[in-house]
Amino acid sequence: QKEVEQNSGPLSVPEGAIASLNCTYSDRGSQSFFWYRQYSGKSPELIMFIYSNGDKEDGRFTAQLNKASQYVSLLIRDSQPSDSATYLCAVPYQAGTALIFGKGTTLSVSS
Amino acid sequence: GAVVSQHPSRVICKSGTSVKIECRSLDFQATTMFWYRQFPKQSLMLMATSNEGSKATYEQGVEKDKFLINHASLTLSTLTVTSAHPEDSSFYICSARGLGGDYGYTFGSGTRLTVV
Repeated sequence: QKEVEQNSGPLSVPEGAIASLNCTYSDRGSQSFFWYRQYSGKSPELIMFIYSNGDKEDGRFTAQLNKASQYVSLLIRDSQPSDSATYLCAVPYQAGTALIFGKGTTLSVSS
Repeated sequence: GAVVSQHPSRVICKSGTSVKIECRSLDFQATTMFWYRQFPKQSLMLMATSNEGSKATYEQGVEKDKFLINHASLTLSTLTVTSAHPEDSSFYICSARGLGGDYGYTFGSGTRLTVV
């Protein structure tokens, strides 16, 4: 059974700081990794996904993979109060199948 | 981009009644749809996977006779909560996947079900 673990937080950072969110996964064979942001009462929205072949940067967001230690990180640079949300990490059961979600990390960015 | 429409966004029903939730892919063909449930302060839990034209596959612990899933076309899947009880109150979210690539996971906006 694949598992995805996240520290529930809350993670508190001041505005403008770098927020670092981590996620560990149990299946060493996992090939793709997803980060979603979820505001209270809303559906998750995709921030970015990466494959096992490398890190990825998109604007203020960077996803990094450490295959040896089986964790994936999401860095948010220049954090804004609007980034305050729950961040969910997910991996597919198998390629093309349903995503398994971690419990999410709550991020609070103070102005 | 891919859009998934989910309706209704909120529904309140009486205990013992049934509620139908629709999930439509608006601009792509959803070969597979996933239904999740999320309780307060918890993560998304997969309930079932449905492929167009075939029976849904339910996760362990999810009653298939209570949560009826129909995926009759490539653009529509429905989840019917039968004989709803207060413990079924939750946030239900569908996710549709089209052809090609992991980026094909598109989520609906969710349905907040309250059973009174």
